[in-house]
Amino acid sequence: EIVMTQSPLSLPVTPGEPASISCTSSQNLQHTNGYNYLHWYLQKPGQSPQLLIYLGSDRASGVPDRFSGSGVGTDFTLKISRVEPEDVGVYYCMQGLQTPYTFGQGTKLEIK
Amino acid sequence: QLQLQESGPGLVKPSETLSLTCTVSGDSIAGSHYYWGWIRQPPGRGLEWIANIFYSGATYYNPSLKSRVAISVDTLRNQFSLTLPSVTAADTAVYYCARQTHWGFFDYWGQGSRVTVSS
Repeated sequence: EIVMTQSPLSLPVTPGEPASISCTSSQNLQHTNGYNYLHWYLQKPGQSPQLLIYLGSDRASGVPDRFSGSGVGTDFTLKISRVEPEDVGVYYCMQGLQTPYTFGQGTKLEIK
Repeated sequence: QLQLQESGPGLVKPSETLSLTCTVSGDSIAGSHYYWGWIRQPPGRGLEWIANIFYSGATYYNPSLKSRVAISVDTLRNQFSLTLPSVTAADTAVYYCARQTHWGFFDYWGQGSRVTVSS
């Protein structure tokens, strides 16, 4: 099983400031096709998770461009260029390379 | 617009069987190139993938639950279902159904079905 590790687990941020979340996998997530099967989700309070970033760096439909993803292999980063109040919630990374699909522990972003 | 809606009992007694159904609207399960899956989230905790099914009936299970869980699909009703027998308090969670692409990400999620295991 691929283990996903996120840091930090708690992230207080002042609105307008940047934020960054790290995700490390225990195995290489780069497929033979060259894509990294690492995806990011945001679970807003009381809601279902919503897809933010797929294949490491592609923004899902409707996701603001202040969100960006990067990384390759085992080390990935989600960045928010300027945090908005509506960005609060728990961010999860997930590997979609092999079953069992696994998620990171989650990073709770809160507004200072 | 694709929508997924979970349905099932909110309360299940220990040792009984949990059955959940996900109804898909806005897309047809039959012949689609997507996987359909279940993910759960215990109270205050993270996400755990349970199982996936392809329209053909091919199934994929999390080994941690494989001996207990079963996923099935009904293409005529455009639904897929999860069965979890012999539940315990540890199965208390919000259960989500979702669509998964062949790239491995879940792009559409249901609103979740809260299940409590208690006598």
